[in-house]
Amino acid sequence: EAGVAQSPRYKIIEKRQSVAFWCNPISGHATLYWYQQILGQGPKLLIQFQNNGVVDDSQLPKDRFSAERLKGVDSTLKIQPAKLEDSAVYLCASSFGTGNQPQHFGDGTRLSIL
Amino acid sequence: AQSVSQHNHHVILSEAASLELGCNYSYGGTVNLFWYVQYPGQHLQLLLKYFSGDPLVKGIKGFEAEFIKSKFSFNLRKPSVQWSDTAEYFCAVISSGSARQLTFGSGTQLTVLP
Repeated sequence: EAGVAQSPRYKIIEKRQSVAFWCNPISGHATLYWYQQILGQGPKLLIQFQNNGVVDDSQLPKDRFSAERLKGVDSTLKIQPAKLEDSAVYLCASSFGTGNQPQHFGDGTRLSIL
Repeated sequence: AQSVSQHNHHVILSEAASLELGCNYSYGGTVNLFWYVQYPGQHLQLLLKYFSGDPLVKGIKGFEAEFIKSKFSFNLRKPSVQWSDTAEYFCAVISSGSARQLTFGSGTQLTVLP
């Protein structure tokens, strides 16, 4: 089966600019996750969708980060304006359901803020 | 809040050596435990998981992990490593009190010397 697709793979922007990432989950997976992985740390959940509804966004910095999954399939994550500390790899994952269902990860987008 | 500790940040072994990577978690209730692996240039992949039953779990590529509830541990083991096992290994936990959020440790970089 095709895996989780993410684009772009790399992005370099200056602070205070905006950026958007795109994710296409595995077909049929109702649950979609966005993670932030800062260098030297494990992935940290930013937001979880079940179909097109938000399940958990408790760790999403809502003053600058936003995410949507309008049709319950693809998702976009946006940062506006970006700060230096947002430099990280942004991972998208999907699973068939929630809870114990294994999560399948994409290759991630490596964001560098200058 | 739950947390996961991986005390070994970088492990270097020669081929055929035995491997044990430590993982400890903080939550005292029911947990589901995972080990993910990220090979160079690839996405995170599930190595093995524990939900219930036999505390000794076998995964892919000869890896196994043992859940010891009294020690809040889920250490990863392999009797004889290969050069191809060079990767970063992440322990992760979902607890019943965390809104089913997957929490990762900071990862252990394993380098196997040929």
